[in-house]
Amino acid sequence: EVLLQQSGPELVKPGASVKIPCKASGYTFTDYNMDWVKQSHGKSLEWIGDINPNNGGTIYNQKFKGKATLTVDKSSSTAYMELRSLTSEDTAVYYCARGYWFAYWGQGTLVTVSA
Amino acid sequence: DIVITQDELSNPVTSGESVSISCRSSKSLLYKDGKTYLNWFLQRPGQSPQLLIYLMSTRASGVSDRFSGSGSGTDFTLEISRVKAEDVGVYYCQQLVEYPYTFGGGTKLEIK
Repeated sequence: EVLLQQSGPELVKPGASVKIPCKASGYTFTDYNMDWVKQSHGKSLEWIGDINPNNGGTIYNQKFKGKATLTVDKSSSTAYMELRSLTSEDTAVYYCARGYWFAYWGQGTLVTVSA
Repeated sequence: DIVITQDELSNPVTSGESVSISCRSSKSLLYKDGKTYLNWFLQRPGQSPQLLIYLMSTRASGVSDRFSGSGSGTDFTLEISRVKAEDVGVYYCQQLVEYPYTFGGGTKLEIK
């Protein structure tokens, strides 16, 4: 069974950074890109970018360049997304989703930016 | 960026009826390989999105045959037959023909 396991909710202060893991299991981690998606409360979905676990190659939505950094650890089959210089606009649920058709999604990590 | 537009449903739907959900793209999603790169998802309340349809008309594994997708290069439809209570949620379409991938604003399905 394919699973993407994300971490629990994060409460972070404005200006800080947060790193969200997405641990994959049930398939060969390097066979599929990992995508990341943002969903602000009550709103639609925004694609942040994706990463090729084989070589670490990334493609970002221009809107999130400088905000999000995608990395992987092949040894633990885990993808990471780091968000920096957080503001209230970054408060949202962040999902990882397996690339190639987004057939599998993590459960989402709620990031709340508040002093 | 490709803009994806979804309309709202005018009224709640009665269980057992059929419903069509539309999606329009600002650019053709037909790629040079002959495939149309459009996904449909259902996001039930409090859950992650679930893939229903990929490549415009191919049902994802385990998805009921009550769901079907169709369309042209820029206009798409998700048909749901014999609507059930479990179909309630927000339906999103997404284009994957070019970066950045973009989603529609969603269409909320309610049952009377």
